[in-house]
Amino acid sequence: AQTVTQSQPEMSVQEAETVTLSCTYDTSESDYYLFWYKQPPSRQMILVIRQEAYKQQNATENRFSVNFQKAAKSFSLKISDSQLGDAAMYFCAYKVGSGNTGKLIFGQGTTLQVKP
Amino acid sequence: DVKVTQSSRYLVKRTGEKVFLECVQDMDHENMFWYRQDPGLGLRLIYFSYDVKMKEKGDIPEGYSVSREKKERFSLILESASTNQTSMYLCASTDPGSHHEQYFGPGTRLTVT
Repeated sequence: AQTVTQSQPEMSVQEAETVTLSCTYDTSESDYYLFWYKQPPSRQMILVIRQEAYKQQNATENRFSVNFQKAAKSFSLKISDSQLGDAAMYFCAYKVGSGNTGKLIFGQGTTLQVKP
Repeated sequence: DVKVTQSSRYLVKRTGEKVFLECVQDMDHENMFWYRQDPGLGLRLIYFSYDVKMKEKGDIPEGYSVSREKKERFSLILESASTNQTSMYLCASTDPGSHHEQYFGPGTRLTVT
């Protein structure tokens, strides 16, 4: 069975600094999707970044980038130039299988605190 | 603009009550999901639906049922609420054409006393 593990329950970063959130997963599949979602204190979860496993290039969205290590089954999120609005809970997620149901498996979450 | 709405932000119910949580999406998405979110456990899938009247159990379906009579609406039902069902419930929807991005509602914080 696929699993997703976020080993850092809480992280903190100084405003304008860089922080990396860790995620590892376990799967026997070769093609899959990985996601990072952000849940601000208001609770509406939004997608931060998406990575397709067959793409070797790491995904980037403005200040957010990933370090995707397929062999190591690692998918970390780097936030550069951290802003107060980045404070949230971050979830790593894996899309199950090749079908179109869109089922995701989520990690336990990492709460990020941004200090002014 | 994409939108998923849930009927209540906060709900307090008594043990044994039947509870309905409603979710509506306006994106014509085929797939809809119900999760519960608990500290340290992340999001766990309760049920999902891939078409009207079609449903599949997720990882923790015990004590829950669902209904999807119309494409835009997906309801979660707690037949007899128990205190261990106190949690945050999140609804989401997606479509194969959206590169599997799930769109989430604001959540319902349910307390069962």
